[in-house]
Amino acid sequence: GQQLNQSPQSMFIQEGEDVSMNCTSSSIFNTWLWYKQDPGEGPVLLIALYKAGELTSNGRLTAQFGITRKDSFLNISASIPSDVGIYFCAGARFAGGSQGNLIFGKGTKLSVKP
Amino acid sequence: DTGVSQDPRHKITKRGQNVTFRCDPISEHNRLYWYRQTLGQGPEFLTYFQNEAQLEKSRLLSDRFSAERPKGSFSTLEIQRTEQGDSAMYLCASSDVTRAGTGELFFGEGSRLTVL
Repeated sequence: GQQLNQSPQSMFIQEGEDVSMNCTSSSIFNTWLWYKQDPGEGPVLLIALYKAGELTSNGRLTAQFGITRKDSFLNISASIPSDVGIYFCAGARFAGGSQGNLIFGKGTKLSVKP
Repeated sequence: DTGVSQDPRHKITKRGQNVTFRCDPISEHNRLYWYRQTLGQGPEFLTYFQNEAQLEKSRLLSDRFSAERPKGSFSTLEIQRTEQGDSAMYLCASSDVTRAGTGELFFGEGSRLTVL
């Protein structure tokens, strides 16, 4: 099935560092979402974006909905150990009949620097 | 716990056997979704229900797959004649219809299927 292009695929963080990741698509979306998944668990919603150009924060997390509606980025400031996990972007059109079809990226895996 | 509940959490089966997964959504949610996630990939949409009506099915949902939500509460996902390619995590999610358009899906912990 269709998936979004998410980068980087993986990154190592040191506590206190800022982290950036992004997601691009060849198609336009009306909604962008960012989820985090810990091992053995389902994805948990972090931030939802509904308007092109929108910038939204949730604590140390900030995400933006690209003005072309084909991309989004997520920043994590002052990372802490519990930030490790896999971050997924997801796009949705919510137009016409499709109300359930979230399209996910392949994820960015955040690990702690050894 | 009032989150989305899935059962079983893990299932190992031999190729050709049938398997069934159950999902209990958050009680006040009337939309229920099934996604599949393979290793190293993001979740992929399979199907969703509003109450007992199945409103959308992905092309990924072959004729060996069937999902039901008979009373608009819990749902089952059955895979008949399993193949090794069916090995994946099957995720269930639910949402409130007044918020469904926002994409705020609440996921369960998933049912991991291994087909030998």
